Amino acid sequence: NAGVTQTPKFRILKIGQSMTLQCAQDMNHNYMYWYRQDPGMGLKLIYYSVGAGITDKGEVPNGYNVSRSTTEDFPLRLELAAPSQTSVYFCASSFQDFSYEQYFGPGTRLTVT
Amino acid sequence: AQSVTQPDIHITVSEGASLELRCNYSYGATPYLFWYVQSPGQGLQLLLKYFSGDTLVQGIKGFEAEFKRSQSSFNLRKPSVHWSDAAEYFCAVGARSGGGADGLTFGKGTHLIIQP
Repeated sequence: NAGVTQTPKFRILKIGQSMTLQCAQDMNHNYMYWYRQDPGMGLKLIYYSVGAGITDKGEVPNGYNVSRSTTEDFPLRLELAAPSQTSVYFCASSFQDFSYEQYFGPGTRLTVT
Repeated sequence: AQSVTQPDIHITVSEGASLELRCNYSYGATPYLFWYVQSPGQGLQLLLKYFSGDTLVQGIKGFEAEFKRSQSSFNLRKPSVHWSDAAEYFCAVGARSGGGADGLTFGKGTHLIIQP
């Protein structure tokens, strides 16, 4: 099993550009999550999904969009990138809800200049 | 809403010495508590978790943590650290925050440095 995979590993965007961060898991997990990690701030939940076709906002959803058309994939879309979105983004998945272990991908380091 | 506080931003420990990382949480009911470790450039890996039952939980890599309801704490311990334990450690609480997100709330992390 590859676990949770994320692409790309690194990306530099100009202000106003858009991009999609890809996330896939091969563990047949129902729940998937997107977090952002800023230095000294821990991880903040952006969006999560409890199954295909169902998504919901987390703590910091502004400036992002998600979709979940399959169990395996959970892409994160950044529209009109801003410097405040410079961060490391982690995708995670779990079999069921927050009471289950979350498995994390290796992260995507995004810089917006 | 729940919150997690890790009072120590950095901790330096000599190799072979014991370790305790502090975590305090705020939540109205019995929380689901986790400790994750993040090695440089990597994602997070679960060390251990507590839901109910025995308040002393054992995890991977020789770590353990003790849930103390009276102190709202869930401190992580290891009797003898190894150089490979150098990493960032995150305490997290999982709960539904009244119609809010179904996810984990993380502390800001403690950076562990191991001295030879």
